[in-house]
Amino acid sequence: NAGVMQNPRHLVRRRGQEARLRCSPMKGHSHVYWYRQLPEEGLKFMVYLQKENIIDESGMPKERFSAEFPKEGPSILRIQQVVRGDSAAYFCASSPGWNEQYFGPGTRLTVT
Amino acid sequence: GESVGLHLPTLSVQEGDNSIINCAYSNSASDYFIWYKQESGKGPQFIIDIRSNMDKRQGQRVTVLLNKTVKHLSLQIAATQPGDSAVYFCAENRGNQGGKLIFGQGTELSVKP
Repeated sequence: NAGVMQNPRHLVRRRGQEARLRCSPMKGHSHVYWYRQLPEEGLKFMVYLQKENIIDESGMPKERFSAEFPKEGPSILRIQQVVRGDSAAYFCASSPGWNEQYFGPGTRLTVT
Repeated sequence: GESVGLHLPTLSVQEGDNSIINCAYSNSASDYFIWYKQESGKGPQFIIDIRSNMDKRQGQRVTVLLNKTVKHLSLQIAATQPGDSAVYFCAENRGNQGGKLIFGQGTELSVKP
C-alpha cells in the first residue's frame, strides 16, 4: 500500500526558470492538497484539488504559481520564473475525503 | 488574528517519561484537529485526530485531549522513546473552509536517553 509519492525529492533551479513538482496520491484518494514549508516554520496551505477541479486556491500566490490534478496522472504544482523566495519544502497530501490527510516526503526546491 | 499556536517551541524529556505537547486555537468554528510528527527531512506523519464532538481520543501510546471551553488541544505521549524525537504540529480544520488544514508553528520534542 504505497503512500503519497512526490518527485523530485530535491530540485535546484536558477532564478527565472520553471519548477514542476509532481504528486501521486495514495490509491483510492481523490483529494490532493499542496502546502509550503519554510525552514523552522509550520506548513502553509496553498491549494486543494479534486480530479480536474481546483476547489480552494486561497493560499496560492496570485502570479507565477499554478496547480492541476488531471483525470489521469499525478497532480502538478508549477512555479514559473522562480525567485529565491520560492526556496522551500513543498508537501503534497492526499485524502479520501476532507478529513485526515496523509503527506508525501516533500520536494525541496532551491533557487540559486 | 486567528491562529493555531503552540505554547512552547521546545520540550526536553527523559526517556520513559510522559510528554505533553500543547496547542491553542482561536476559532470556535474549528471542528477537526490532527496531530502530526515531522522528523528532519521528512514529511509530516499522521499521529492521531479528534473531532469537536469528542474530548478525548486514544491511540497507541498517544492520547489527544480537546477542551473546547478554553480552545485547547494537547498530545500526550506515554513512555517517551528516543524515536519520538521530532517536531510535533497540531493542525486545525475550520469546518466552513473546506478541507484545508491550518498548522501551528510546531514544538520540537527532544528525548534524553
